This record gives sequence, C-alpha cells and structure tokens, in this order.
Amino acid sequence: ETGVTQSPTHLIKTRGQQVTLRCSSQSGHNTVSWYQQALGQGPQFIFQYYREEENGRGNFPPRFSGLQFPNYSSELNVNALELDDSALYLCASSFGDRDDEQFFGPGTRLTVL
Amino acid sequence: GDSVTQMEGPVTLSEEAFLTINCTYTATGYPSLFWYVQYPGEGLQLLLKATKADDKGSNKGFEATYRKETTSFHLEKGSVQVSDSAVYFCALIKAAGNKLTFGGGTRVLVKP
Repeated sequence: ETGVTQSPTHLIKTRGQQVTLRCSSQSGHNTVSWYQQALGQGPQFIFQYYREEENGRGNFPPRFSGLQFPNYSSELNVNALELDDSALYLCASSFGDRDDEQFFGPGTRLTVL
Repeated sequence: GDSVTQMEGPVTLSEEAFLTINCTYTATGYPSLFWYVQYPGEGLQLLLKATKADDKGSNKGFEATYRKETTSFHLEKGSVQVSDSAVYFCALIKAAGNKLTFGGGTRVLVKP
C-alpha cells in the first residue's frame, strides 16, 4: 500500500509569486484535504476535494485554489504569495465519507521571502 | 465555531515518567476525537481516536477517553521513552463533517 506523497519537499518563493504544490493520495483513497500549518501552530483546514469537486473550504482567500485529477491526486495553487503564507502545507487523503480516517503526507515547507 | 484547546508546552519529562496532555473541545453535536503525533521533520500520524462518549482510544501505550460531560480527551502514557519526543495534536471532526479542527499542539521532550 502506497502512502500519501507530496512534492516538493521544500521551496522558496518571493512575495507576489505563484506556487503549485502536489499530492498523491494513498492507494484506494478518493478524497484529498489540504491543511496549512504555520510554525508552532496546529494545522488549519484549507479545502477538500472529493471526486474532482471542491467539497468544503476553510477560511482562506480565493488566491488559494486547488484541483483534483481523475487518479485522485491533487494540486494546491497559491497566487500572489504573501509573507504569511510561509508554512508547512499538509495533504491528507481518505476514502469517501470516512473523513475520520485521514492519512497525512510529510508536507511541503514553503518559505516566502 | 468548533475549537480545541490543549495545554501549552514544552513538557519535559524523564524517561519512564508518566505523561498527561490535557485537551478540551467545543463543538456542537457528537464529534469524533483524535490525537495525532508529529515527529521532527515529518507529517502527522494518527495516534488514536474515539468516536463516541466513553470510548477509550489506545495505541503504543497511549490512551485517551472521550469524556462528553467534561468535553475532554486527555492523552496519557504510563511510562514514556525518549522516542516519544514529538509534538502531539488533539483534534476533532464533526459527524458528517469533512475537516479536522486541531489544537495548537504540545511539544513533549523526554530526556534519558
């Protein structure tokens, strides 16, 4: 069974740039959720994708957007980067309505300068 | 809205000591409750969960009991090891909900 993978591991961007983060869900999972974890804080829910449709969104501006592909992998896109976007971005996969069993990837560390 | 409050760290212990991390929550209905652990440089791993009142979740020597009357889900371990050094997060998800709500995390450092 393949676990959740994310790429890249780290990246550095400058303010105003755009970034795309990628996530491959665990084998057999069709739901992907994205979380932002600022340094020293707990993760905050960004949004969830289920069968290629957005299925709920947290308190994040529209410059945070996402996609889910037919193979259930997912992308998180952030436009017009701000310094406060510096964080660990975590992807979690689950199956259908079993959202209580979310399996997390190792995260992507984004630094915005 | 929903929220999770857990004790601030860091918590520093000696090996074989007893560990308790307090967690309380605010949510309508009957959420499921979780403890996740984050080792340095890694993502989150589910440690244990409980889905209804009075349920006890347990794993790797850790235990937590879902107490609806006190809206609490305290994490305990009777004898910690150096390898238990990590950040621990309490979290909830509401029935039919799709997002985990996390506490701020508690860093635990176990010294030999």
